[in-house]
Amino acid sequence: EDQVTQSPEALRLQEGESSSLNCSYTVSGLRGLFWYRQDPGKGPEFLFTLYSAGEEKEKERLKATLTKKESFLHITAPKPEDSATYLCAVRIYGNNRLAFGKGNQVVVIP
Amino acid sequence: DAGVTQSPTHLIKTRGQQVTLRCSPKSGHDTVSWYQQALGQGPQFIFQYYEEEERQRGNFPDRFSGHQFPNYSSELNVNALLLGDSALYLCASSPTGDTQYFGPGTRLTVL
Repeated sequence: EDQVTQSPEALRLQEGESSSLNCSYTVSGLRGLFWYRQDPGKGPEFLFTLYSAGEEKEKERLKATLTKKESFLHITAPKPEDSATYLCAVRIYGNNRLAFGKGNQVVVIP
Repeated sequence: DAGVTQSPTHLIKTRGQQVTLRCSPKSGHDTVSWYQQALGQGPQFIFQYYEEEERQRGNFPDRFSGHQFPNYSSELNVNALLLGDSALYLCASSPTGDTQYFGPGTRLTVL
């Protein structure tokens, strides 16, 4: 059974205090790892796709990295508008579904 | 360019009733997937449609069924509603085999 575990479950940051979110996975044949941002009551918003170990992608204050067993989402100098739940999902070869973790709930305090 | 759209936004039903949720994919996307998200949990895969056929199904009972139309839009039907079916239902569209983009969701409450 595929497993995606995200930690920490919840995180409170002061504005400007950089931190990292972790997504560990135990799957065979990773086809892609995806990060989404979700605001309360809304649908997930796509952030990044990572395909192979060593790959990195950046967007504004966010940077995603991938190893063979985990991915990190680094938030640099966060602002209150970065407050959201960040979801990690994996897709394996021969399978069309995304398997999600429970998410990292981030609150950035002004 | 409109993204993925879903209707209705909110829905309240009683146990035993039936419900139909609708999804229009992003322009150029031919694949539609449906997910159920309970409060505080990650989305759970229900099924995926491609070329008007159910291509893959998650671990959901037969009460959950779907359809895809020639214009790639899709419906999710749930029969004999249970209290536990209360959740946010998400539709995601993608070009074949690529990144899935989600709609805003339909909040279903079963009383």
